[in-house]
Amino acid sequence: GQNIDQPTEMTATEGAIVQINCTYQTSGFNGLFWYQQHAGEAPTFLSYNVLDGLEEKGRFSSFLSRSKGYSYLLLKELQMKDSASYLCAGLDSNYQLIWGAGTKLIIKP
Amino acid sequence: NAGVTQTPKFRVLKTGQSMTLLCAQDMNHEYMYWYRQDPGMGLRLIHYSVGEGTTAKGEVPDGYNVSRLKKQNFLLGLESAAPSQTSVYFCASSEAEGGGTDTQYFGPGTRLTVL
Repeated sequence: GQNIDQPTEMTATEGAIVQINCTYQTSGFNGLFWYQQHAGEAPTFLSYNVLDGLEEKGRFSSFLSRSKGYSYLLLKELQMKDSASYLCAGLDSNYQLIWGAGTKLIIKP
Repeated sequence: NAGVTQTPKFRVLKTGQSMTLLCAQDMNHEYMYWYRQDPGMGLRLIHYSVGEGTTAKGEVPDGYNVSRLKKQNFLLGLESAAPSQTSVYFCASSEAEGGGTDTQYFGPGTRLTVL
């Protein structure tokens, strides 16, 4: 079966760094997405990885290891506005997204 | 550009009632999707469309119907609502199949409660 696993909740301190892990099992693989979703709002795109390695975008970076079925999202210099859920999604061989349940990130001052 | 819009934003139905959720996008995207989001679960695909006049079933299609008569609109219908359909419904669109930079853009959601 297809499955995306990520922690349910994480807590971090303002100004710190946090890493959110995601492991995936999909039928075929066409890439791994990370989305951010603030409470009561729509998911918004953060990053897409299809090759192994690290992609950096400002304070956010995303890493992929296809051999391990593993990805992480790294958030640096955390700000209070980063409090949100972070959704990991794998794109399967039919180009359909398989979504994780999301990781709720709580930032404390 | 409004992006992806959804109407209504909130709705309360009684069991057995019917309703239609409207999604509209102004980005000229070919692909459109309907998802539902429930607590503790990932987004689940209900139906999707790869172009005007075409629709296909997703992971959880039972109890729902869809239509894509115009490229910019994607309608989701509930023929006879059940309490199990209480959820937040998101519409999304993408330029193509979703790989590479063809990301999915989401509407603000419709919060539906079925009593």
